[in-house]
This record gives sequence, C-alpha cells and structure tokens, in this order.
Amino acid sequence: GQNIDQPTEMTATEGAIVQINCTYQTSGFNGLFWYQQHAGEAPTFLSYNVLDGLEEKGRFSSFLSRSKGYSYLLLKELQMKDSASYLCAVILNNAGNMLTFGGGTRLMVKP
Amino acid sequence: NAGVMQNPRHLVRRRGQEARLRCSPMKGHSHVYWYRQLPEEGLKFMVYLQKENIIDESGMPKERFSAEFPKEGPSILRIQQVVRGDSAAYFCASSPEHGGEAFFGQGTRLTVV
Repeated sequence: GQNIDQPTEMTATEGAIVQINCTYQTSGFNGLFWYQQHAGEAPTFLSYNVLDGLEEKGRFSSFLSRSKGYSYLLLKELQMKDSASYLCAVILNNAGNMLTFGGGTRLMVKP
Repeated sequence: NAGVMQNPRHLVRRRGQEARLRCSPMKGHSHVYWYRQLPEEGLKFMVYLQKENIIDESGMPKERFSAEFPKEGPSILRIQQVVRGDSAAYFCASSPEHGGEAFFGQGTRLTVV
C-alpha cells in the first residue's frame, strides 16, 4: 500500500517559524506537492518538488529528499491567516496527475 | 480565465436518491480528477478522466458510483441510491497535461439525510 504520513496537528505562534514534515513510502514517485486548505474551501497549490533540495517561494519553502522519502514545508513569519490544513501529496507515476494525499496537518497559529 | 467550476456547492439528498455532481475544468484543461474528503480526513483519489475516457478508476467504489467526461459539457460524478456514508466533500481538479499542476474546484458538499 501507499503510506504518506504527516502530523495531525501543530500549533505555533504568530511571527514564528514552523516546519511541517511529510514522509512517504510509495510504489512509485514522480513528484511531491504541498497544498493549503482553509476549512470549507478548496486546496490551493503551494509548491511542487521533484528533485532533491529546497524550493523557496516567499514565506514558504519546501524541501525534498527522495532517498529518505521525506519532505518538509517551512513557513516563516507566521500570520494568523496561515491557520489552515497543509496537505502533502505524491504523484506515483507518469500516468496523469493523480495525487495520493496524506491525512493533512492542521496548523493553528496563536497570537 | 475562470477556475475549475463545481456545482452545486451544497447538495442534500435523502437516502436512496441519486446525486449528480458537476465539474467544468479550467479552459484548455483536458484532464479531470475527482477526490472525496470525509470530515476531518484527507482527500482520497476516486477517478481520473480525459475527454470521453476513464483513465483510472481505482479509487471508485465498485457499486453505485460512476463518472463520465463527455466530449461536450462538464464531467459528472453520479452516486446512485445514496447512503449516509456518502456524506462528504467531493472535489474536482483539472490539469492541462500529465504532470502539470492540478487546480481544484471549490467542491460539492453532499449531505445525505
């Protein structure tokens, strides 16, 4: 089976830095996505990694290590509006853009 | 360029009725994916379609669920004889080509009473 694991919940303080980890054990790998989802809304794209290393995009960065089956999403200068669920998803193979999701991490940012 | 459009946003059905969920992909996108999200859970892949073809339906329940993406018109996810366990948010995503970023619609929240 496919396993994509991330912590269920995290809490952090406004202005701080938080790292959300994702580990995966899958039968194939063709890239890893991070999405943000506010309650009751659609997931919105944050980042895509297919090669090892760090991708930085403003306050958000995403890291991938394919050999370790590991990724993290780093959020800097946290704002209250960053309170949301963060979804890690893997594309298993070349057949389309079907995403296999982890359970999501619910992040609560406190003042 | 409008995003992925799903309707209705909210749908209430009695047990045993049929539910039809519609998804219009972004302009220029020919690949459509349906996902289900149960309350407090992650998204689960259901089916992947291209125009007039089902490419992968490995996530679809074997009974009562069907999907289509006709040459003209939106993609339809159809659930026959709904049960309470079908209550969930159903999200549609589209992409222009395999490997391209998938954009999600706002979802249809199905409640079975």
